[in-house]
Amino acid sequence: GAGVSQTPSNKVTEKGKYVELRCDPISGHTALYWYRQSLGQGPEFLIYFQGTGAADDSGLPNDRFFAVRPEGSVSTLKIQRTERGDSAVYLCASSLGSPGFQETQYFGPGTRLLVL
Amino acid sequence: KQEVTQIPAALSVPEGENLVLNCSFTDSAIYNLQWFRQDPGKGLTSLLLIQSSQREQTSGRLNASLDKSSGRSTLYIAASQPGDSATYLCAVANQAGTALIFGKGTTLSVSS
Repeated sequence: GAGVSQTPSNKVTEKGKYVELRCDPISGHTALYWYRQSLGQGPEFLIYFQGTGAADDSGLPNDRFFAVRPEGSVSTLKIQRTERGDSAVYLCASSLGSPGFQETQYFGPGTRLLVL
Repeated sequence: KQEVTQIPAALSVPEGENLVLNCSFTDSAIYNLQWFRQDPGKGLTSLLLIQSSQREQTSGRLNASLDKSSGRSTLYIAASQPGDSATYLCAVANQAGTALIFGKGTTLSVSS
């Protein structure tokens, strides 16, 4: 079956522009996560969805970052007024989301964002 | 705030060696601990997941241990192969199980 997919694979934008990054989770996975990975660092948690709702958005760095998952499947991470410091690989992951069940997260290949 | 540290940052070994990667975390209140593999330009692949109540997990040539009270985990790789070359990331899940906190990783190079 298909894994987690992310589009685009690469995105180059100019400082101050708006970008949208898309994540298609594994079919049937109710939990979806966004992470950001800077060069030489481990992934940094941004936000977690259970179904359509953001159950934990404590990792979003500021109000320029926003994510939605309107139908409980595909998610979009939105970044307004991009800054050079936003340049990173944005990773999406999904899991079954069974309450109280210890389960792994399956990661997509990431979107490499470069802000010039 | 939970912090995860991995030692060493990089490791080079000849093929066939057994090796140990180390991970430490500052807050023992974790939901589980996971080891991932990351190949250049690729996403993460889960290797092992240890629940907070468990002491170790094994998969093939990989064995991971967890000592929650001391805040440590080790990943043991037996009989290393060139195909094992990658970055290995340790991550702890927060108590709610909603987020993974990662270390910076150990980059392993196995030469033939």
